[in-house]
Amino acid sequence: DAKTTQPPSMDCAEGRAANLPCNHSTISGNEYVYWYRQIHSQGPQYIIHGLKNNETNEMASLIITEDRKSSTLILPHATLRDTAVYYCIVRVSNSGGYQKVTFGTGTKLQVIP
Amino acid sequence: DVKVTQSSRYLVKRTGEKVFLECVQDMDHENMFWYRQDPGLGLRLIYFSYDVKMKEKGDIPEGYSVSREKKERFSLILESASTNQTSMYLCASQGAGIYEQYFGPGTRLTVT
Repeated sequence: DAKTTQPPSMDCAEGRAANLPCNHSTISGNEYVYWYRQIHSQGPQYIIHGLKNNETNEMASLIITEDRKSSTLILPHATLRDTAVYYCIVRVSNSGGYQKVTFGTGTKLQVIP
Repeated sequence: DVKVTQSSRYLVKRTGEKVFLECVQDMDHENMFWYRQDPGLGLRLIYFSYDVKMKEKGDIPEGYSVSREKKERFSLILESASTNQTSMYLCASQGAGIYEQYFGPGTRLTVT
């Protein structure tokens, strides 16, 4: 499994963009980058995923470097409800087609009023 | 909306007791997972199942077993609970060919 490295914590002012970095220097060519977040006392929630192209959905944007060794999750206009732990994950896929996902310790994002 | 439910939000058990944690999903997903979450350690995979009666060990299976008799239900069993199994337990499900896992609300288990 490719390992990921994230800063343990970050602050962001409300209304500003939150940029959460992730390093995955040992990622393999067929491995995807996923992001989840976990709001206090809830289960993790899927945000976005990508392989090599940048991706955007209604929640966030994902920027993956050309060498795929790192990525950045962007919350364009952070709100207080975005305060959570954000996990960057590299997907492992085996021949059975099911997916074992290994979560690290994530980045605790604090959005400040 | 996918719904993953867990039998209890909070549970207190004594050392040596047999403990069952139940998880049910309503989206006919093939894959189901059990994680535990501890401060500073993130989420760690205990077991997962990719079909009825099929299971595979995750990263920390010791002291746990699982059962999947029906597609929608995945049970985690602590044969003889110990204090180091005090933790938050999270269940997740995932459909074949679907990228995201859907998580339940978690069960906070305390073993005294």
